[in-house]
Formats: sequence, C-alpha cells, structure tokens
Amino acid sequence: GENVEQHPSTLSVQEGDSAVIKCTYSDSASNYFPWYKQELGKRPQLIIDIRSNVGEKKDQRIAVTLNKTAKHFSLHITETQPEDSAVYFCADHTGGGNKLTFGTGTQLKVEL
Amino acid sequence: DAGITQSPRHKVTETGTPVTLRCHQTENHRYMYWYRQDPGHGLRLIHYSYGVKDTDKGEVSDGYSVSRSKTEDFLLTLESATSSQTSVYFCATESTGTSKGEQYFGPGTRLTVT
Repeated sequence: GENVEQHPSTLSVQEGDSAVIKCTYSDSASNYFPWYKQELGKRPQLIIDIRSNVGEKKDQRIAVTLNKTAKHFSLHITETQPEDSAVYFCADHTGGGNKLTFGTGTQLKVEL
Repeated sequence: DAGITQSPRHKVTETGTPVTLRCHQTENHRYMYWYRQDPGHGLRLIHYSYGVKDTDKGEVSDGYSVSRSKTEDFLLTLESATSSQTSVYFCATESTGTSKGEQYFGPGTRLTVT
C-alpha cells in the first residue's frame, strides 16, 4: 500500500527562524498533498495544500513545495512564532482510492 | 470545521463490551472517514464511506464495523472492545469536485477500554 514518510519527528527552532518539514511518498499516482496542523487536544486542521500540477504554493508565512520526480514535498514556515508550536502532518491522496495516507507527524516547538 | 460533530466526546468502557461512536455532518459531503490516532502512528484509516450504504475498509479495520444509513451520519462500532482499541477517534468528511481531497475533521472521541 501507499507509504508516506515524514521527517523530522521533532523540530525545535528559535522564534523568528524558519522551519522545514519533509515528506516522501511512494505512489506515483498521488495527486494531492495537504498539510494539517494539530494543537494539543484539538482536531487536525488543514493549513495548506498543493495539487500535482503545481510546484509551489504560498500562503503568508507558510509554503509548500512539490517535487513529483523525486516524490517528495515539504512544508516551509518562515518567521516562526510561538503559536506555530503544534504537531504537523503531511498526507497524500490518490485519486482512484479517494483516501489520504498520513505521515507520522512532526512535533514543532518554537522557543522564545 | 465543516459542521462536523462527534458523540460521545469521551468514553470509558470495559473489555468485551460493544461501543458505537457517531459522526454527524451538516455539509452534505459525500465522503466520510473514521481514523484512529495513536502516538507514533499518526492518523490511520479504519473505514470510509463514499455514499449512503457504500463503505469500504481502511488499513486498520479489524475489530471495527461501520454503517451509513443517511448522508449526515456515519457510525463506527467496536463489536467487542479490547484494550488495543484505546485511542482517539476522528471522523472526517470530504466534498467532491474542485475540493476533492480536502478532508475536514470532527473534534474527536477519546475512548478508553479498561
């Protein structure tokens, strides 16, 4: 079945620094790549996504890049703030099965 | 949050008892999903539905069954709960068309099996 690997599992940065989380996927038919943010005790929230016909997408301080040839995609957070502290999950979606496969998550801690 | 609610939000039950979790949505989304979340495993798909009475298994479906008798409701049943089913359960919904793939999650149900 489809597999999504996510790295690192934990990431600690200083406030104002950038953070990068990377995911690789195995199914070449994957065509949609969302990122979710989950705060402690809360539900996962969709924060940004990218479809396979686009290489990069940006929304204020967050951006996602996609390299279909290498089968990896990344989340970039610039000018990190304490409220960015959370667990971030990547996922990929194969159109045929209409299912998301999630990575195992990255615990991001932004330190003052 | 796509108008998704889950009930109950917390439940403690004993091994061997049946348990049913409910997911209710008001967005008329076609697809609905049940996930479990455990430390170190992320979100794993249990079962999903692509329409009324149409369901299929996910990667961790053993010990679980589902039913969807109307668009708004998707039920997850643990026929005979085991301690390994202690987890946080999330329901999600997904629309079709240009939003295909965008899943929105309910608030979750924390289930403890003693």
